[in-house]
Amino acid sequence: AQSVSQHNHHVILSEAASLELGCNYSYGGTVNLFWYVQYPGQHLQLLLKYFSGDPLVKGIKGFEAEFIKSKFSFNLRKPSVQWSDTAEYFCAVSNSGGYQKVTFGTGTKLQVIP
Amino acid sequence: ETGVTQSPTHLIKTRGQQVTLRCSSQSGHNTVSWYQQALGQGPQFIFQYYREEENGRGNFPPRFSGLQFPNYSSELNVNALELDDSALYLCASSPVGQGTDTQYFGPGTRLTVL
Repeated sequence: AQSVSQHNHHVILSEAASLELGCNYSYGGTVNLFWYVQYPGQHLQLLLKYFSGDPLVKGIKGFEAEFIKSKFSFNLRKPSVQWSDTAEYFCAVSNSGGYQKVTFGTGTKLQVIP
Repeated sequence: ETGVTQSPTHLIKTRGQQVTLRCSSQSGHNTVSWYQQALGQGPQFIFQYYREEENGRGNFPPRFSGLQFPNYSSELNVNALELDDSALYLCASSPVGQGTDTQYFGPGTRLTVL
């Protein structure tokens, strides 16, 4: 069975600070990896995804994530956060190929202070 | 906007009752997945439907059941409601040819069980 761990439950940053949210997964096979964002009062939106190829993935709104296979990690980064990045961020993993079940982490709430 | 809609937005039921939640996805999205998101948690996979048949199921009891219709709509039915069923229920649809883990989420239905 696959699982996802997000170590930071609540992060508070000032505007312009750099962001890194941790995500580790557990699964014995090939995986696809995702970061989703949920802004207050809005639905889940896909930030970025990794299926194969370049382990450094760029997504929307200046976010990027790096897949490090040896560490089973897929950390989310942004060089300079804005107040509008205040949201909850979810890391997710699915098994690659066939019937694909998506498993989400428990989420990290990011609060950006102006 | 993902083109995925859910109804109703909010619902209050009492323990033991039955509930039906509805989801409508975009044309060409032939896979739908349902998730339960309890407060402070990430979405938990309930089940997935592909071409009107259940394609996979998470760790949820049989009183959680679903239907998918040819017009890209689907239903989640929960019988014998329990207090712990109080949560946000999300549906997500996947377009043909992009893998069932490429998902577009609806806004969710907030179910409260008293």
